Amino acid sequence: GAVVSQHPSWVICKSGTSVKIECRSLDFQATTMFWYRQFPKQSLMLMATSNEGSKATYEQGVEKDKFLINHASLTLSTLTVTSAHPEDSSFYICSASLTTLNTGELFFGEGSRLTVL
Amino acid sequence: QKEVEQNSGPLSVPEGAIASLNCTYSDRGSQSFFWYRQYSGKSPELIMSIYSNGDKEDGRFTAQLNKASQYVSLLIRDSQPSDSATYLCAVQPQGAQKLVFGQGTRLTINP
Repeated sequence: GAVVSQHPSWVICKSGTSVKIECRSLDFQATTMFWYRQFPKQSLMLMATSNEGSKATYEQGVEKDKFLINHASLTLSTLTVTSAHPEDSSFYICSASLTTLNTGELFFGEGSRLTVL
Repeated sequence: QKEVEQNSGPLSVPEGAIASLNCTYSDRGSQSFFWYRQYSGKSPELIMSIYSNGDKEDGRFTAQLNKASQYVSLLIRDSQPSDSATYLCAVQPQGAQKLVFGQGTRLTINP
């Protein structure tokens, strides 16, 4: 299967700072990547769809100015949590699909656990 | 009504028995359906995908899809303690690239 890698796997930051999370497709090109967030004991909630070379599409209720997404190449998408606050502490997971297969199957990165103090 | 619904559990099954997980979805036009397994603190991993009505078997896992009733299920035969995890049902709505996930069912296999 396709490999998606995320970095960092965990990060602790102070309130008010910004944190960048990277998501890379290692052995395929991903024109579309998806960013999910998961709070403890809850399911994955889609935050935004990241499209290479264009603006991301955000889900309702997700602040685009707070969660900045950049998809500058076919193998890299980044999520920046700006001015992080304790309520942003969560498990952030990126995923990508093999668009050549068009099966809808998503391959997930390892996830990044963010703790805001 | 949630787009994808699952019983959150916990579901306890003795080792060696069959575990049955169910999921319903609201978008009748959905075409692609997936079951993911998620261990605590880890990201989801794909278990099964199913696209047409009926059963699809892969080893100890069988996915069942009934589009008329808008439900999809996962059966795990000969359950093992290593199967203990949260199982997420995911559906691709019609015309969308994204997947919508259910809240997950926490499964515990008791030795």
